[in-house]
Amino acid sequence: EPEVTQTPSHQVTQMGQEVILRCVPISNHLYFYWYRQILGQKVEFLVSFYNNEISEKSEIFDDQFSVERPDGSNFTLKIRSTKLEDSAMYFCASRFDRVEAFFGQGTRLTVV
Amino acid sequence: RKEVEQDPGPFNVPEGATVAFNCTYSNSASQSFFWYRQDCRKEPKLLMSVYSSGNEDGRFTAQLNRASQYISLLIRDSKLSDSATYLCVVSYSGNTPLVFGKGTRLSVIA
Repeated sequence: EPEVTQTPSHQVTQMGQEVILRCVPISNHLYFYWYRQILGQKVEFLVSFYNNEISEKSEIFDDQFSVERPDGSNFTLKIRSTKLEDSAMYFCASRFDRVEAFFGQGTRLTVV
Repeated sequence: RKEVEQDPGPFNVPEGATVAFNCTYSNSASQSFFWYRQDCRKEPKLLMSVYSSGNEDGRFTAQLNRASQYISLLIRDSKLSDSATYLCVVSYSGNTPLVFGKGTRLSVIA
C-alpha cells in the first residue's frame, strides 16, 4: 500500500540552526501539506502546496519557514533559524483530489 | 470561536461497551468531514470519511448533521485496541487544508 514517508524520524538541533525535514508523498497525489503538533496540543496546519507553489499558509508559517519540491518526488520543509518553540512533531500529508489526506509517520524536532 | 470542537475526554469504558463521540464545527460551508485516529506520538490515520447519509464500517458508525453542524462517531463492542485519540477533521472546500479538533481520548479497559 502506498504511503507517505518522512525523514528523519527524530532531529535534535541547536537553537538558531537551520533544519530541513523531508517527505516523499504518495506518487500520484496532487496536494501536499505540512502540519505540526506540539506535545499535548492539536494538529495545526502550516502550509499547503499545489502545482509547484504554495496555495495556502497559516500564521505560523512565517519568514523562517519555506517549502520546496525540488525534484518532483521530495517535498521539504526548511526552518531557517530554529527557536525553542519550534519543538514539535512535524507531519507531512498528501492528497489526491478532494478526498482524505494521508499522513507520514512524522519527524520529531527537538530544539535545544 | 474554535473551528472544530470536541470533548477532550478521557472516556474510560470497559471492553464490549458502546461509546459515542461528538464534534461541532463552526463553518457552515464545510464540505468534507473525517474521523482520524491517533495513537500516542504517531501520525493521524484515517478511520473513516463522513457522508451526509451517514456511513458504517464494521463496528464504527459516523453521522453528519449539517443543520446543527455536528458530526458523531459511534463505536460498538469496544476492543482494547480501540484505545486512542479520535480526531474530528473538517475541510472547508475542495482541497483546502484539513482543520483538526483537539481530539477525544478513549481508553478501553479490560
